[in-house]
Amino acid sequence: GAVVSQHPSRVICKSGTSVKIECRSLDFQATTMFWYRQFPKQSLMLMATSNEGSKATYEQGVEKDKFLINHASLTLSTLTVTSAHPEDSSFYICSAHRLGPYEQYFGPGTRLTVT
Amino acid sequence: ILNVEQSPQSLHVQEGDSTNFTCSFPSSNFYALHWYRWETAKSPEALFVMTLNGDEKKKGRISATLNTKEGYSYLYIKGSQPEDSATYLCAPLGSGQNFVFGPGTRLSVLP
Repeated sequence: GAVVSQHPSRVICKSGTSVKIECRSLDFQATTMFWYRQFPKQSLMLMATSNEGSKATYEQGVEKDKFLINHASLTLSTLTVTSAHPEDSSFYICSAHRLGPYEQYFGPGTRLTVT
Repeated sequence: ILNVEQSPQSLHVQEGDSTNFTCSFPSSNFYALHWYRWETAKSPEALFVMTLNGDEKKKGRISATLNTKEGYSYLYIKGSQPEDSATYLCAPLGSGQNFVFGPGTRLSVLP
């Protein structure tokens, strides 16, 4: 099956710094990638939809200047958490939409801890 | 944005019991529906992709049905085992091609 990787799997950073998370589709091209965040005791929340070669579409309530998304190629999307704060500590998951209908593959997730 | 509901919110069953949960979604603009098994802080595991009204899918002890006209899908687990304990998420795909996750049903299977 299709494989999506995320890097890093875990990251600890200091408050005020920025962190970049990469999402790669390893064996297929993904025109669309999605970024999710898991809040404690809640389901996955869609943060933004990342389309290759165009600006990301952010969900209501997600600060686009704080969560910078770049989808520079058909196999790579990045999420940069700028000026991180402890409340940004969370589990971030990306998924990639494979060309052709209905298929979405998840990355393994990145655990971000801001101290 | 699709309004997706799942019930019950949580469920505790004894090992060996069979159980089922519901995913409700707007019936208009339906495109497909995915079911996932999800353990916190892990990547969701895809169970089924359902597209046609009346679809029935089965994978081992787990099966699912779909009614697109009335906007619901059922997930069934036969003979629940402790390893089935997880959150089960449904994610309809609308015509806007964006997946929206339901809040999930948290299943705990007690040995």
